[in-house]
Amino acid sequence: DTAVSQTPKYLVTQMGNDKSIKCEQNLGHDTMYWYKQDSKKFLKIMFSYNNKELIINETVPNRFSPKSPDKAHLNLHINSLELGDSAVYFCASSQDIGRGDEQYFGPGTRLTVT
Amino acid sequence: ILNVEQSPQSLHVQEGDSTNFTCSFPSSNFYALHWYRWETAKSPEALFVMTLNGDEKKKGRISATLNTKEGYSYLYIKGSQPEDSATYLCAFRFHSGGSNYKLTFGKGTLLTVNP
Repeated sequence: DTAVSQTPKYLVTQMGNDKSIKCEQNLGHDTMYWYKQDSKKFLKIMFSYNNKELIINETVPNRFSPKSPDKAHLNLHINSLELGDSAVYFCASSQDIGRGDEQYFGPGTRLTVT
Repeated sequence: ILNVEQSPQSLHVQEGDSTNFTCSFPSSNFYALHWYRWETAKSPEALFVMTLNGDEKKKGRISATLNTKEGYSYLYIKGSQPEDSATYLCAFRFHSGGSNYKLTFGKGTLLTVNP
């Protein structure tokens, strides 16, 4: 069983479109995250939810909107896609926000905007 | 801006060699230090989370040490095997008021173990 799953794995779309990436974890964790792997291969935090409450909201264009319908899901919706949004997006989860809590990553979604 | 530096950027070793890499991070507001192993076309996999100065963790042939006062952590691999080939990421978690939950990742050390 996949612990953290993301759909779709690949997403190719045109500029200006609106798209969503879904993330689900079956680990019973309370905290979920979205990361973007940038062109220099750094993983950078975008958002985090703890018990469905937004706790981290980095400087991300407001075209990006996370939604957490329940603790097991954290979806990422992107409006008016731009070329610069092309990247690999990783979802992750952790038991909570405690000091020793490690994060479990999903397989990533490669988004290509043409 | 918090910088997490990892060195070397890449490393080639022969099967059976032991090796180590370094992660440097700010020594102030330390909260936790994470090590991840990231194989190509897979997702990062947690190796260790260390929270106390002087912590040493071990998992099989891989071990890590932590020095929060001087801001560095070492990852050691004993008797490298081809299946150890991966990028090893460290991530620094800092305490800064309401932002104490974020991980700042380094760029990783790409290890290639030649048979």
